[in-house]
Amino acid sequence: NAGVTQTPKFRILKIGQSMTLQCTQDMNHNYMYWYRQDPGMGLKLIYYSVGAGITDKGEVPNGYNVSRSTTEDFPLRLELAAPSQTSVYFCAIKGGQGETQYFGPGTRLLVL
Amino acid sequence: AQSVTQLDSQVPVFEEAPVELRCNYSSSVSVYLFWYVQYPNQGLQLLLKYLSGSTLVKGINGFEAEFNKSQTSFHLRKPSVHISDTAEYFCAVSEQYTGNQFYFGTGTSLTVIP
Repeated sequence: NAGVTQTPKFRILKIGQSMTLQCTQDMNHNYMYWYRQDPGMGLKLIYYSVGAGITDKGEVPNGYNVSRSTTEDFPLRLELAAPSQTSVYFCAIKGGQGETQYFGPGTRLLVL
Repeated sequence: AQSVTQLDSQVPVFEEAPVELRCNYSSSVSVYLFWYVQYPNQGLQLLLKYLSGSTLVKGINGFEAEFNKSQTSFHLRKPSVHISDTAEYFCAVSEQYTGNQFYFGTGTSLTVIP
């Protein structure tokens, strides 16, 4: 997980609360990704970015927002938390085409 | 969009026995293929990847995978498993020329029995 930092590691939210999941990289990679992992469902792409100032939706973007003002940071925002957003969230980075994705350690979110 | 199918959700195997974890994908274009491993409460780590060239790819921890274009498969193998191989394994695919996104399978849970 070297090079990709995620904070917080754990968080419990009440329904309707908001929060930002932080992702920071020190590898100067252009591509950054946010996934959620639910049991038995694999990883689903929420949003991704191919460079500072550029973001795009993935497979499951509803209920989330992102921004990419710098190469290093790619925060994920939950505006109105819902129980369906209980999941483990992973940030990943990639250098270029055909290159490996490197994953952060994850943030475990529980919405009650 | 691509899709990735991992045919076995759970695979129990005895220590020192061989194992094969199956992965099939659907795509009309050329792809890159990856296998990742996830240990409990950790992120995903790359095991191996196929970009081009030899269809037999060797990775870390004694794992290897074979790309079969005609069968659109990328099965993962290890000739002799160890207790420490117990983990979740994910197959992933991205398109070669427009590969901004990765598509993951639902994972195979490998349990090595002493």
